Amino acid sequence: QSVLTQPPSVSGAPGQRVTISCTGSSSNIGAGYDVHWYQQLPGTAPKLLIYGNSNRPSGVPDRFSGSKSGTSASLAITGLQAEDEADYYCQSYDSSLRGVFGGGTKLTVL
Amino acid sequence: QLQLQESGPGLVKPSETLSLTCTVSGASISSSGHYWGWVRQPPGKGLEWIGSLYSSGSTYYNPSLQSRVAISVDTSKNQFSLKLNSVTAADTAVYYCTRPRSGYVAGGEYWGQGTLVTVSS
Repeated sequence: QSVLTQPPSVSGAPGQRVTISCTGSSSNIGAGYDVHWYQQLPGTAPKLLIYGNSNRPSGVPDRFSGSKSGTSASLAITGLQAEDEADYYCQSYDSSLRGVFGGGTKLTVL
Repeated sequence: QLQLQESGPGLVKPSETLSLTCTVSGASISSSGHYWGWVRQPPGKGLEWIGSLYSSGSTYYNPSLQSRVAISVDTSKNQFSLKLNSVTAADTAVYYCTRPRSGYVAGGEYWGQGTLVTVSS
């Protein structure tokens, strides 16, 4: 049971917009801790997609965006492409600055 | 360009100690001002943060592993290490070493390729 809750799967057609939610509590996201998002392609290490709730590292397309409100955060992907098919994880911190991950969401591009 | 590379035994017996090393190239652990950490992923499952270490030696650990885990640094070799004792089959996973983004304790801006450790007799 992960500390942060994500939907196990989401799907969308090419060109569409999808969102992935990450629900925490008052001891992690709701306490003001930043949320990061990672993309993991099959057989590879995770890649940082969004840091500090809504910031994109250099090289990440602006089709990917993040937001945070209250005890939840969301990752939005617009203009869905076949290569976006991957597992996505959110990550934040608890009140002792320990890292916590969501259980992951598998994105299927139809 | 910063690179991280995990190394260590791929097979560990139950009740023994898992030991992995992460070799860092492209940056100095001691002068980077960053945390350095470990994340694992059991086969077919999600990510789990294990712990992080600052170059000064201060550490943060996952409470569920805290009694069994130790992360240390060897600045002379520009390496940091993970030790997890009393392992069971539940510790079978791909282990990644990471460097979080500046200002953050956990997660990873940079990741090693990962190394699979299997716990089995």
